[in-house]
Amino acid sequence: GEDVEQSLFLSVREGDSSVINCTYTDSSSTYLYWYKQEPGAGLQLLTYIFSNMDMKQDQRLTVLLNKKDKHLSLRIADTQTGDSAIYFCAESAGAGGTSYGKLTFGQGTILTVHP
Amino acid sequence: GAGVSQSPSNKVTEKGKDVELRCDPISGHTALYWYRQSLGQGLEFLIYFQGNSAPDKSGLPSDRFSAERTGGSVSTLTIQRTQQEDSAVYLCASSPPGHLSYEQYFGPGTRLTVT
Repeated sequence: GEDVEQSLFLSVREGDSSVINCTYTDSSSTYLYWYKQEPGAGLQLLTYIFSNMDMKQDQRLTVLLNKKDKHLSLRIADTQTGDSAIYFCAESAGAGGTSYGKLTFGQGTILTVHP
Repeated sequence: GAGVSQSPSNKVTEKGKDVELRCDPISGHTALYWYRQSLGQGLEFLIYFQGNSAPDKSGLPSDRFSAERTGGSVSTLTIQRTQQEDSAVYLCASSPPGHLSYEQYFGPGTRLTVT
């Protein structure tokens, strides 16, 4: 079955870059996502990447995908205290796959940004 | 525009009682998902509705759990004879039709506590 793994904690200083890593096992994963969850709030879709891409940049966010190693990372440039949250990596299969639409999540990485 | 809404935001119930949780998806979104988030299990997929197709119920943990979606819009998740292990945050998500169907937008969740 599908499995998604993340490191549990990351602590950085304000202004530094943060890199959150994720590995997944399902080779049929077509879409890979990063969600952000602030305390007491729901999940906010940050960005996503198709499996046929290596990199996607969106303002301060850069997603890197190594499909051979099944490794996904999220880099946050110039990290701010407002970026402190839990970040979830997730994957889903594409259209036609038996698990299409269903997201499988990692356990989340707690990012703490120190002033 | 309005996002996914869920009600109630908090629900406390006694063990053995039935509960109903409601989800209003974003207008025009054709797919609707239920997930739950708990300390022990992380984020788990429960059920997925897509248009008029039969729902994917593969994530429902027991036959005490059921869900329906009326008129292709509002959905209700019902848990019968609640148990303490059902305590969790129940999250609903919806996604639009067409080429953006892979973008899932989450509601704020319903926190269920079974005493």
